[in-house]
Amino acid sequence: GAGVSQSPSNKVTEKGKDVELRCDPISGHTALYWYRQSLGQGLEFLIYFQGNSAPDKSGLPSDRFSAERTGGSVSTLTIQRTQQEDSAVYLCASSLIGQGTSPLHFGNGTRLTVT
Amino acid sequence: DQQVKQNSPSLSVQEGRISILNCDYTNSMFDYFLWYKKYPAEGPTFLISISSIKDKNEDGRFTVFLNKSAKHLSLHIVPSQPGDSAVYFCAASEELGALNFGKGTSLLVTP
Repeated sequence: GAGVSQSPSNKVTEKGKDVELRCDPISGHTALYWYRQSLGQGLEFLIYFQGNSAPDKSGLPSDRFSAERTGGSVSTLTIQRTQQEDSAVYLCASSLIGQGTSPLHFGNGTRLTVT
Repeated sequence: DQQVKQNSPSLSVQEGRISILNCDYTNSMFDYFLWYKKYPAEGPTFLISISSIKDKNEDGRFTVFLNKSAKHLSLHIVPSQPGDSAVYFCAASEELGALNFGKGTSLLVTP
């Protein structure tokens, strides 16, 4: 399909393990975002890639979280030494250009459960 | 620090009536405001947006109103339909900045 694709859709991991979450944005979209939604909470901004600019990492909750975007397309969000409070749905979104002029298209998310 | 606030976690409306979802924000630099709709197990989908130069934008049954002086926006759905039952997120951003989302309002439209 032509939408944002995220994998895996579900991930269960043990506390202390590292996990990688993948996002395939819509082809041609220059902007890519990672958000997470914890139980009963809103969408929490994590990181934002815009073209070749340095990413906006201001939302990453700790240095255990990192993300990269290779070749301006696929992105990987890595969480090292996972903790139980990392359990959430991690949502990736892409947009054609900047925020307000081009709405975000979200994937269905990766549900991460840390046991 | 929550810059976008949706103070009503839930709302129940009868089919055919108007649904009004409210949103407040604190950052006066926000230029763009959007509403997203989310069904369970799916990502949010874009519904309607408004830029700061306007005070109203309408798209079919959905209208968004912006009051910049009060830092308040609202989404009106009329007439409401059972298929509108979902969680609605308000979001705002500065130009080319990251979207800031509220915590969402769960709308239930009853037959």
